[in-house]
Amino acid sequence: SQQGEEDPQALSIQEGENATMNCSYKTSINNLQWYRQNSGRGLVHLILIRSNEREKHSGRLRVTLDTSKKSSSLLITASRAADTASYFCAGGSGNTGKLIFGQGTTLQVKP
Amino acid sequence: GAVVSQHPSRVICKSGTSVKIECRSLDFQATTMFWYRQFPKKSLMLMATSNEGSKATYEQGVEKDKFLINHASLTLSTLTVTSAHPEDSSFYICSARGRLAGETGELFFGEGSRLTVL
Repeated sequence: SQQGEEDPQALSIQEGENATMNCSYKTSINNLQWYRQNSGRGLVHLILIRSNEREKHSGRLRVTLDTSKKSSSLLITASRAADTASYFCAGGSGNTGKLIFGQGTTLQVKP
Repeated sequence: GAVVSQHPSRVICKSGTSVKIECRSLDFQATTMFWYRQFPKKSLMLMATSNEGSKATYEQGVEKDKFLINHASLTLSTLTVTSAHPEDSSFYICSARGRLAGETGELFFGEGSRLTVL
């Protein structure tokens, strides 16, 4: 079963704007990860945030985690057309490496 | 970063035949590999967890006799779709976790294999 919901399911913005995607999860996790997937391709790991962290930055990416609300957000600043892809959050629990994915957000950045 | 290779990337087969998909970790030893299935415009559904040298652990609702998983070495796991039917058509993705992943749980994903059953 899927970990949780992501919203919005689809997002279309202009190049240069910021894109915010949200993810909610149901079970306990010890980390939450965000992945990117170009159409028909595999997944690329973007960023990982541990359950004891609240915010993390990596380049143009900013991730927040609110364990009390069981939610996370991914912010992509100054978006580029090349950021067009699907973005998935995935919750990890225990030490097995097992991930349960959210439904994903399809982002389109118009040049 | 670590590289995981899947082969074939695309396969078309006739209904009733079996298809094998390989997942290889090219530059690290993968103690655990995971197999996911993805329907068009949908998320990844975890099918099974494969540990080297032991039987795979299947998620609820996944038929173990239908989707045979073998993890014979630290660099190779295979998924065999037996007696394939058109409803098995999907995008199958593997991921691998190395010995040194520790608590991060970071996985490295293959490029996926698109199976079409006619």
